Amino acid sequence: QKEVEQDPGPLSVPEGAIVSLNCTYSNSAFQYFMWYRQYSRKGPELLMYTYSSGNKEDGRFTAQVDKSSKYISLFIRDSQPSDSATYLCAMTETGYSTLTFGKGTMLLVSP
Amino acid sequence: DGGITQSPKYLFRKEGQNVTLSCEQNLNHDAMYWYRQDPGQGLRLIYYSQIVNDFQKGDIAEGYSVSREKKESFPLTVTSAQKNPTAFYLCASSTLTGQGSKQPQHFGDGTRLSIL
Repeated sequence: QKEVEQDPGPLSVPEGAIVSLNCTYSNSAFQYFMWYRQYSRKGPELLMYTYSSGNKEDGRFTAQVDKSSKYISLFIRDSQPSDSATYLCAMTETGYSTLTFGKGTMLLVSP
Repeated sequence: DGGITQSPKYLFRKEGQNVTLSCEQNLNHDAMYWYRQDPGQGLRLIYYSQIVNDFQKGDIAEGYSVSREKKESFPLTVTSAQKNPTAFYLCASSTLTGQGSKQPQHFGDGTRLSIL
């Protein structure tokens, strides 16, 4: 079983839709969770960073962590064509400096 | 502007040649990382360094070498021993704040390496 699973997509939605992106993981020691957005031929850009369980909101983005289910989500409200990118989840344990990444989900938002 | 600068953006390697990818950061971050990204493979860790003059192997270190002589610089050499070097290489950095907290990694815009 892979440590972090993420559906590669592509996920195609119309402009204005609510998008849900998800990752599941197997290591119960993961405590820190990140979402990165990566445009084609660019480096990943940090979107959201959460510690342990709960929700975090930043503008149109909401990150949710459910440690009991080993499941994290990123919601994008009022999606825009400029949100079209690959979204990577990443996570790590306390005391570790290295991250474990999902393989990324490609999102396509059509006008 | 603070950030991570990777150069060159594109690089071509001939058979049997070593090439070096540059990574410089002015964020005053302690730790630096090198990843390789292949289509459908996600990011795989090559090497990382938490302090000057020290570094550790990641998951796919074979055929690569690094140095960390200065806090702001972490160059990666792709040696001729790396038989499949064509990939997108990403450098990242982060602050280390001890056991109780963690800061996320920030990335440069990558170097695309191809074989001639």
